[in-house]
Amino acid sequence: EAGVVQSPRYKIIEKKQPVAFWCNPISGHNTLYWYLQNLGQGPELLIRYENEEAVDDSQLPKDRFSAERLKGVDSTLKIQPAELGDSAVYLCASSLGRAETQYFGPGTRLLVL
Amino acid sequence: AQSVSQHNHHVILSEAASLELGCNYSYGGTVNLFWYVQYPGQHLQLLLKYFSGDPLVKGIKGFEAEFIKSKFSFNLRKPSVQWSDTAEYFCAVWGNNRLAFGKGNQVVVIP
Repeated sequence: EAGVVQSPRYKIIEKKQPVAFWCNPISGHNTLYWYLQNLGQGPELLIRYENEEAVDDSQLPKDRFSAERLKGVDSTLKIQPAELGDSAVYLCASSLGRAETQYFGPGTRLLVL
Repeated sequence: AQSVSQHNHHVILSEAASLELGCNYSYGGTVNLFWYVQYPGQHLQLLLKYFSGDPLVKGIKGFEAEFIKSKFSFNLRKPSVQWSDTAEYFCAVWGNNRLAFGKGNQVVVIP
């Protein structure tokens, strides 16, 4: 069974530039999550989708971050414009349901210069 | 929102030593509990989980964890570690519609 797929794996951009991350969850998983992980910290939730609906986006900085999950399958997370403090690993995870085991992708490591 | 505490962020031990990592959480409602592991260069993987039933759960690679509800704890143990157990270990708690992670324990096993 294929796991959660994320791309790109690494991204280096200059501040104020836009950047986008893509995630394809495990087939059949209705719930999709985006997390932010800073160095030395555990993942922190940015947004949770149930199918195509964003049901928990309270932690998403909406002034510069946006996300979408069209058709309830794959998802895109965007930052525009990026700031130096956005340098981190962006993780995508999926699960069968909201309280079920979450399976994580390899993450996208973002460096903003 | 619940919080998850993991102490002793860096742990260094020799092969065959026993390992115990503490995890405490603050949420008072019903919880699901997880330990994830991240080996060098790899993504987060599930080590074990507790949803209900026997509070002593066994996971992969000889790891086990015990849920003590009265202490809000879910400590991870392995009686004899191997060099290949070098990794970062994260405790996570599902409660109040969200999965909260601890800061992780960086474990280095010396051959």
